[in-house]
Amino acid sequence: NAGVTQTPKFQVLKTGQSMTLQCAQDMNHEYMSWYRQDPGMGLRLIHYSVGAGITDQGEVPNGYNVSRSTTEDFPLRLLSAAPSQTSVYFCASSSWGQGRNQPQHFGDGTRLSIL
Amino acid sequence: ELKVEQNPLFLSMQEGKNYTIYCNYSTTSDRLYWYRQDPGKSLESLFVLLSNGAVKQEGRLMASLDTKARLSTLHITAAVHDLSATYFCAGNNNAGNMLTFGGGTRLMVKP
Repeated sequence: NAGVTQTPKFQVLKTGQSMTLQCAQDMNHEYMSWYRQDPGMGLRLIHYSVGAGITDQGEVPNGYNVSRSTTEDFPLRLLSAAPSQTSVYFCASSSWGQGRNQPQHFGDGTRLSIL
Repeated sequence: ELKVEQNPLFLSMQEGKNYTIYCNYSTTSDRLYWYRQDPGKSLESLFVLLSNGAVKQEGRLMASLDTKARLSTLHITAAVHDLSATYFCAGNNNAGNMLTFGGGTRLMVKP
Protein backbone atom coordinates (compact mmCIF):
# COMPACT_ATOMS: atom_id res chain seq x y z
CA ASN A 1 0.00 0.00 0.00
CA ALA A 2 2.86 2.40 -0.90
CA GLY A 3 1.03 5.16 -2.85
CA VAL A 4 3.44 8.06 -3.48
CA THR A 5 6.94 7.58 -2.09
CA GLN A 6 9.42 10.43 -1.74
CA THR A 7 13.10 10.18 -0.87
CA PRO A 8 14.95 11.51 0.99
CA LYS A 9 12.73 12.76 3.83
CA PHE A 10 15.31 15.32 4.97
CA GLN A 11 18.29 16.90 3.26
CA VAL A 12 20.74 19.69 4.01
CA LEU A 13 22.71 21.19 1.14
CA LYS A 14 25.25 23.92 0.71
CA THR A 15 24.62 26.76 -1.70
CA GLY A 16 25.62 25.75 -5.21
CA GLN A 17 25.27 22.01 -4.70
CA SER A 18 22.96 19.97 -6.88
CA MET A 19 20.68 17.13 -5.93
CA THR A 20 17.72 15.08 -7.09
CA LEU A 21 14.54 14.54 -5.11
CA GLN A 22 12.99 11.21 -5.96
CA CYS A 23 9.29 10.49 -6.38
CA ALA A 24 7.68 7.18 -7.27
CA GLN A 25 4.06 6.09 -7.39
CA ASP A 26 2.58 2.62 -7.76
CA MET A 27 -0.99 3.55 -8.73
CA ASN A 28 -0.38 3.75 -12.49
CA HIS A 29 -1.29 7.44 -12.44
CA GLU A 30 -0.63 9.43 -15.57
CA TYR A 31 -0.44 12.83 -13.86
CA MET A 32 2.41 13.67 -11.50
CA SER A 33 3.46 16.99 -10.04
CA TRP A 34 5.87 18.71 -7.70
CA TYR A 35 4.90 21.43 -5.21
CA ARG A 36 6.83 23.45 -2.69
CA GLN A 37 5.37 24.59 0.61
CA ASP A 38 6.84 27.54 2.44
CA PRO A 39 5.94 28.50 6.03
CA GLY A 40 2.47 29.96 6.37
CA MET A 41 1.72 29.48 2.70
CA GLY A 42 -0.17 27.08 0.55
CA LEU A 43 1.48 24.81 -1.97
CA ARG A 44 2.86 26.22 -5.21
CA LEU A 45 3.24 24.12 -8.34
CA ILE A 46 6.79 23.74 -9.68
CA HIS A 47 6.49 21.28 -12.59
CA TYR A 48 4.02 18.67 -13.72
CA SER A 49 3.71 15.79 -16.17
CA VAL A 50 0.71 14.19 -17.86
CA GLY A 51 2.59 11.08 -18.94
CA ALA A 52 5.97 9.59 -19.77
CA GLY A 53 8.00 11.95 -21.91
CA ILE A 54 5.71 14.94 -21.27
CA THR A 55 6.52 17.67 -18.75
CA ASP A 56 5.55 21.30 -18.32
CA GLN A 57 6.20 24.24 -16.03
CA GLY A 58 4.04 25.30 -13.16
CA GLU A 59 3.94 28.53 -11.21
CA VAL A 60 7.51 28.54 -9.84
CA PRO A 61 9.77 26.49 -12.17
CA ASN A 62 12.99 28.51 -12.05
CA GLY A 63 15.96 26.60 -10.64
CA TYR A 64 14.33 23.20 -11.06
CA ASN A 65 14.36 20.54 -13.79
CA VAL A 66 12.21 17.46 -14.21
CA SER A 67 12.00 14.46 -16.50
CA ARG A 68 9.52 11.61 -16.86
CA SER A 69 11.01 8.53 -18.44
CA THR A 70 8.54 6.08 -16.87
CA THR A 71 4.97 6.29 -15.60
CA GLU A 72 6.12 5.51 -12.08
CA ASP A 73 8.95 8.00 -11.51
CA PHE A 74 9.12 11.79 -11.58
CA PRO A 75 12.42 13.12 -10.15
CA LEU A 76 12.98 16.81 -9.38
CA ARG A 77 16.48 18.20 -9.86
CA LEU A 78 17.94 21.25 -8.20
CA LEU A 79 20.74 22.37 -10.49
CA SER A 80 22.52 24.84 -8.19
CA ALA A 81 20.87 25.09 -4.79
CA ALA A 82 20.09 28.54 -3.37
CA PRO A 83 18.87 29.48 0.13
CA SER A 84 15.56 30.60 -1.41
CA GLN A 85 14.91 26.96 -2.28
CA THR A 86 14.74 26.00 1.39
CA SER A 87 11.27 24.52 1.62
CA VAL A 88 9.21 21.37 1.99
CA TYR A 89 8.69 19.63 -1.34
CA PHE A 90 5.68 17.46 -2.06
CA CYS A 91 5.16 15.12 -4.97
CA ALA A 92 1.61 14.23 -5.99
CA SER A 93 -0.07 11.97 -8.51
CA SER A 94 -3.55 11.45 -9.89
CA SER A 95 -5.46 9.97 -12.76
CA TRP A 96 -5.71 11.84 -16.02
CA GLY A 97 -8.36 11.87 -18.73
CA GLN A 98 -11.69 10.54 -17.53
CA GLY A 99 -10.31 9.97 -14.05
CA ARG A 100 -9.03 13.48 -13.50
CA ASN A 101 -11.82 14.44 -11.11
CA GLN A 102 -10.18 12.28 -8.48
CA PRO A 103 -8.05 14.04 -5.87
CA GLN A 104 -4.30 14.13 -6.09
CA HIS A 105 -2.42 11.78 -3.76
CA PHE A 106 0.51 13.37 -1.95
CA GLY A 107 3.77 11.91 -0.72
CA ASP A 108 5.10 12.56 2.78
CA GLY A 109 7.35 15.39 1.63
CA THR A 110 11.06 16.16 1.54
CA ARG A 111 12.30 18.80 3.96
CA LEU A 112 15.19 20.60 2.28
CA SER A 113 17.49 23.18 3.87
CA ILE A 114 20.02 25.15 1.85
CA LEU A 115 22.81 26.73 3.87
CA GLU B 1 -4.77 33.29 -13.64
CA LEU B 2 -6.62 31.56 -10.85
CA LYS B 3 -6.19 32.98 -7.36
CA VAL B 4 -7.55 31.27 -4.25
CA GLU B 5 -8.04 33.01 -0.94
CA GLN B 6 -9.05 31.44 2.35
CA ASN B 7 -10.25 33.05 5.50
CA PRO B 8 -9.67 33.04 8.30
CA LEU B 9 -5.99 32.14 8.22
CA PHE B 10 -6.09 31.11 11.86
CA LEU B 11 -9.04 29.87 13.89
CA SER B 12 -9.10 29.00 17.55
CA MET B 13 -12.34 27.51 18.76
CA GLN B 14 -13.80 25.66 21.70
CA GLU B 15 -14.89 22.07 21.49
CA GLY B 16 -18.57 21.74 20.69
CA LYS B 17 -18.77 24.97 18.69
CA ASN B 18 -19.60 25.40 15.02
CA TYR B 19 -17.64 27.42 12.52
CA THR B 20 -17.14 27.94 8.78
CA ILE B 21 -13.98 28.34 6.70
CA TYR B 22 -14.37 30.30 3.48
CA CYS B 23 -12.59 29.77 0.17
CA ASN B 24 -12.96 32.37 -2.57
CA TYR B 25 -11.51 31.93 -6.04
CA SER B 26 -11.02 34.46 -8.78
CA THR B 27 -11.90 32.76 -12.05
CA THR B 28 -13.76 29.71 -13.27
CA SER B 29 -12.57 26.49 -11.69
CA ASP B 30 -13.83 23.08 -12.82
CA ARG B 31 -13.28 21.45 -9.48
CA LEU B 32 -12.70 22.51 -5.90
CA TYR B 33 -10.76 20.37 -3.45
CA TRP B 34 -10.40 20.42 0.31
CA TYR B 35 -7.34 18.91 2.00
CA ARG B 36 -6.27 18.45 5.59
CA GLN B 37 -2.65 18.66 6.77
CA ASP B 38 -1.45 17.71 10.24
CA PRO B 39 1.80 19.33 11.44
CA GLY B 40 4.82 17.87 9.68
CA LYS B 41 2.63 15.52 7.65
CA SER B 42 1.38 15.14 4.12
CA LEU B 43 -1.92 16.35 2.69
CA GLU B 44 -5.00 14.18 3.03
CA SER B 45 -7.88 14.60 0.61
CA LEU B 46 -11.21 15.45 2.28
CA PHE B 47 -13.63 16.46 -0.47
CA VAL B 48 -13.86 16.97 -4.22
CA LEU B 49 -16.65 19.32 -5.36
CA LEU B 50 -17.51 19.15 -9.02
CA SER B 51 -20.60 21.23 -9.67
CA ASN B 52 -22.59 24.21 -8.52
CA GLY B 53 -24.58 23.42 -5.41
CA ALA B 54 -22.50 20.34 -4.58
CA VAL B 55 -22.52 19.44 -0.90
CA LYS B 56 -20.47 16.68 0.69
CA GLN B 57 -20.30 15.61 4.31
CA GLU B 58 -17.96 13.41 6.27
CA GLY B 59 -18.44 13.24 10.00
CA ARG B 60 -18.34 16.73 11.48
CA LEU B 61 -17.17 18.36 8.24
CA MET B 62 -19.39 19.54 5.42
CA ALA B 63 -18.19 21.21 2.23
CA SER B 64 -20.25 23.12 -0.32
CA LEU B 65 -19.64 24.86 -3.62
CA ASP B 66 -21.30 27.92 -5.16
CA THR B 67 -19.74 28.42 -8.60
CA LYS B 68 -21.72 31.58 -9.30
CA ALA B 69 -20.31 33.27 -6.21
CA ARG B 70 -16.95 31.51 -6.73
CA LEU B 71 -17.12 30.41 -3.11
CA SER B 72 -16.64 27.15 -1.28
CA THR B 73 -17.21 26.66 2.41
CA LEU B 74 -16.04 24.05 4.90
CA HIS B 75 -18.40 23.91 7.86
CA ILE B 76 -17.35 22.36 11.14
CA THR B 77 -20.09 21.08 13.42
CA ALA B 78 -19.52 20.52 17.14
CA ALA B 79 -15.74 20.68 16.85
CA VAL B 80 -13.54 18.16 18.62
CA HIS B 81 -9.82 18.34 19.38
CA ASP B 82 -9.00 15.76 16.69
CA LEU B 83 -10.05 18.24 14.02
CA SER B 84 -7.10 20.48 14.88
CA ALA B 85 -5.07 20.76 11.65
CA THR B 86 -4.48 23.07 8.71
CA TYR B 87 -7.15 22.97 6.03
CA PHE B 88 -6.46 23.92 2.43
CA CYS B 89 -8.79 24.51 -0.45
CA ALA B 90 -7.53 24.27 -4.03
CA GLY B 91 -9.01 24.96 -7.43
CA ASN B 92 -7.84 23.72 -10.77
CA ASN B 93 -7.15 25.94 -13.69
CA ASN B 94 -8.88 24.97 -16.87
CA ALA B 95 -5.67 23.60 -18.38
CA GLY B 96 -6.09 20.36 -16.48
CA ASN B 97 -4.93 19.08 -13.13
CA MET B 98 -2.82 22.07 -12.14
CA LEU B 99 -3.97 23.07 -8.67
CA THR B 100 -3.85 26.51 -7.14
CA PHE B 101 -3.95 26.36 -3.36
CA GLY B 102 -5.26 28.84 -0.85
CA GLY B 103 -2.99 29.90 1.98
CA GLY B 104 -4.56 27.48 4.43
CA THR B 105 -6.58 27.84 7.63
CA ARG B 106 -4.89 26.67 10.78
CA LEU B 107 -7.58 25.34 13.09
CA MET B 108 -7.00 24.81 16.80
CA VAL B 109 -9.78 23.22 18.81
CA LYS B 110 -9.41 23.73 22.53
CA PRO B 111 -10.94 21.39 25.13
